[in-house]
Amino acid sequence: AQKVTQAQTEISVVEKEDVTLDCVYETRDTTYYLFWYKQPPSGELVFLIRRNSFDEQNEISGRYSWNFQKSTSSFNFTITASQVVDSAVYFCALSEDSSNTGKLIFGQGTTLQVKP
Amino acid sequence: DAGVTQSPTHLIKTRGQQVTLRCSPKSGHDTVSWYQQALGQGPQFIFQYYEEEERQRGNFPDRFSGHQFPNYSSELNVNALLLGDSALYLCASSYLAGGEFFGPGTRLTVL
Repeated sequence: AQKVTQAQTEISVVEKEDVTLDCVYETRDTTYYLFWYKQPPSGELVFLIRRNSFDEQNEISGRYSWNFQKSTSSFNFTITASQVVDSAVYFCALSEDSSNTGKLIFGQGTTLQVKP
Repeated sequence: DAGVTQSPTHLIKTRGQQVTLRCSPKSGHDTVSWYQQALGQGPQFIFQYYEEEERQRGNFPDRFSGHQFPNYSSELNVNALLLGDSALYLCASSYLAGGEFFGPGTRLTVL
């Protein structure tokens, strides 16, 4: 069965600290896609990254970086030098290629609070 | 290039009523998915429309129905509203299962 687990419900850090959000997934598919979305208080889900199961290279985009490890079924997200504007709920999601629809299975989300 | 748009932004209904939510996909996208997000939870997949037909459905009762129009816009209908239907309803659009882009959502409150 497909499942995404974000074990950290809430994380609080002080500005400029680095923070890592954990994501563990379960799937029987060999081809799948992993996503991270940011949901600010306004409610709209903002797309951050999409990674397919055959690309295990880590990715860096500015202060954001992602670590994908198939061996541990994890796709963790690190924010370097966090800022107050990073405060939001972050969701990890899985899409299985076999569904052929792009249907997303979300984790429960991690609420990140960055204090000044 | 307009992103995904949804209307209305907020809606208040009473139990037993019916509601219709609307979504216009991002330009160039032909697939629309609907998600329900209860407070403090991750979004849950309701169903997806492609070529004006329901292509896949999540674990939601028949009270939830939808429609897709030739211009790819979509409606979500919920009949016989229950208090538990109170949630943020998110519309997402995509093209060729290439990852979903979400609209701002409609916040439905059922009293």
